[in-house]
Amino acid sequence: AQRVTQPEKLLSVFKGAPVELKCNYSYSGSPELFWYVQYSRQRLQLLLRHISRESIKGFTADLNKGETSFHLKKPFAQEEDSAMYYCALNTGTASKLTFGTGTRLQVTL
Amino acid sequence: DSGVTQTPKHLITATGQRVTLRCSPRSGDLSVYWYQQSLDQGLQFLIQYYNGEERAKGNILERFSAQQFPDLHSELNLSSLELGDSALYFCASSAGPQPTNEQFFGPGTRLTVL
Repeated sequence: AQRVTQPEKLLSVFKGAPVELKCNYSYSGSPELFWYVQYSRQRLQLLLRHISRESIKGFTADLNKGETSFHLKKPFAQEEDSAMYYCALNTGTASKLTFGTGTRLQVTL
Repeated sequence: DSGVTQTPKHLITATGQRVTLRCSPRSGDLSVYWYQQSLDQGLQFLIQYYNGEERAKGNILERFSAQQFPDLHSELNLSSLELGDSALYFCASSAGPQPTNEQFFGPGTRLTVL
């Protein structure tokens, strides 16, 4: 069964510090991975997908098939990055998104 | 507001009862997804409809059912409610049938079963 693991419930960093939100998945084939974000009082929304290889709001994520990881990174955290982040996996065969339990990022001054 | 809408926002009911949650997708979107988020759990996919037809099924209990109507709005019916059904229920919509299409989420319905 496909599974997504986000080991940290809460990640607290100082403004300007680097951020790495961890995501590991279990699937032996070619996965599609996503990061969704929910800011305070807003709806869950797509942040980025690995297939696009883009940087959104300064965040990037690289798919590492060897380590089955898709960590979300940003070199310098901003206060407005404080939010709940969910990693999600689609394996194509299952025709569904499997979400991790989420990591709350807290950026403090 | 042309985004995904969900009603009601909050619902409090008793064990054994039946409730209906409603979702209207974004204008033009044909897919509707239902998710359940319990305390300390990630979003659990329940079911997807595309243009009126069931397209994919997740961990949806037999006590739960859903449908998508000709106007594309969807309803999730939860019956014989148990305490463990208390959760946030999210609806999402997307333009196409693939779950990898960007999904746009509604604000959720918070269900409390007492």
